[in-house]
Amino acid sequence: GIQVEQSPPDLILQEGANSTLRCNFSDSVNNLQWFHQNPWGQLINLFYIPSGTKQNGRLSATTVATERYSLLYISSSQTTDSGVYFCAVANYGGATNKLIFGTGTLLAVQP
Amino acid sequence: DTEVTQTPKHLVMGMTNKKSLKCEQHMGHRAMYWYKQKAKKPPELMFVYSYEKLSINESVPSRFSPECPNSSLLNLHLHALQPEDSALYLCASSQQGRVSPLHFGNGTRLTVT
Repeated sequence: GIQVEQSPPDLILQEGANSTLRCNFSDSVNNLQWFHQNPWGQLINLFYIPSGTKQNGRLSATTVATERYSLLYISSSQTTDSGVYFCAVANYGGATNKLIFGTGTLLAVQP
Repeated sequence: DTEVTQTPKHLVMGMTNKKSLKCEQHMGHRAMYWYKQKAKKPPELMFVYSYEKLSINESVPSRFSPECPNSSLLNLHLHALQPEDSALYLCASSQQGRVSPLHFGNGTRLTVT
């Protein structure tokens, strides 16, 4: 099956800093989403982005499907950004809703 | 507030018990999902229902039995579980089709004793 690797696995930031999280996938995809899991376990959908670039406030994401990676940018980080960030993908040619999660990036933003 | 509601929030059950997890959404979504998440691991897909029919079963043991009574409800029936089945069980829903962001509930934290 498709492999989804995220980097870095762990990241510590000071409040106000910027960061880039990366998601690499081993095969073509027809669905890619970014999620934030807060310390209480709730998963929030950040972006649906199988290709191109999107922005939502301090967050933006870019997927380069031909090179099999996606990037999540967090600017001016806040302590509420802490948690685990996952990308999830569905393999091209398979079911678009068979979303497989990556390994995750654990982010800690310190005041 | 999440638009996908899961009950109960916490569940402790013995290995001989039968229990059910429930999930409800009123967003008109026609795809519903069960994921299992162990501590410090990513969610793992278990089942997908599309238009109330089981479309994906990721080789889940038969002690987990999903049910989709209607387009708004999804159940997961549990029987004869093992301690290693202890995990956070997450329900999600999406519109059926390509442009389909996944919306998750808050999960049920299950402990099998």
